[in-house]
Amino acid sequence: GQNIDQPTEMTATEGAIVQINCTYQTSGFNGLFWYQQHAGEAPTFLSYNVLDGLEEKGRFSSFLSRSKGYSYLLLKELQMKDSASYLCAVMDSNYQLIWGAGTKLIIKP
Amino acid sequence: IAGITQAPTSQILAAGRRMTLRCTQDMRHNAMYWYRQDLGLGLRLIHYSNTAGTTGKGEVPDGYSVSRANTDDFPLTLASAVPSQTSVYFCASSDGAGGPGDTQYFGPGTRLTVL
Repeated sequence: GQNIDQPTEMTATEGAIVQINCTYQTSGFNGLFWYQQHAGEAPTFLSYNVLDGLEEKGRFSSFLSRSKGYSYLLLKELQMKDSASYLCAVMDSNYQLIWGAGTKLIIKP
Repeated sequence: IAGITQAPTSQILAAGRRMTLRCTQDMRHNAMYWYRQDLGLGLRLIHYSNTAGTTGKGEVPDGYSVSRANTDDFPLTLASAVPSQTSVYFCASSDGAGGPGDTQYFGPGTRLTVL
């Protein structure tokens, strides 16, 4: 079966760095996406990785290791507005997105 | 309008009733999708359409139907609602035809409660 695992909840301090991990087992791989979802709102696109390595985009970076079935999202200089759920999704061999349940990130002052 | 709109924002529905959730995008995207989001679960694909005139079944299609008569609209119909269809429904679109790296953009969602 297909499976995406990510921690249910994480807590971090404003101004700090946090790493959210995602491991996956899917039938085929056509890239991995990270989305941010604030409570009661729609998911919004953060990043896409298809090759191994680190993609940096401002305060957010995303890393992929295809051989390990592993990705992480790194958030630096945390701000209160970063409190949200972070969703990991893998595009499988049918080009459909398989989604993790999301990691709820709580930022404390 | 800009992006994707969904209607209604929320709805309470009696079991057995028919309901259509509306989704419209103005980005001229080829592909559109319907997901449901339930607490503790990832988004699950209900139906999709890679281009106007075509539709396909996702992971959880039973009890739902869709149509794609034109590029902009992708309505989702519940023929006879059941309580297990209580969920938040998101419509999404992507500018490719659902291929590699095709980024999906989401509407604001419809919160549906079936009693």
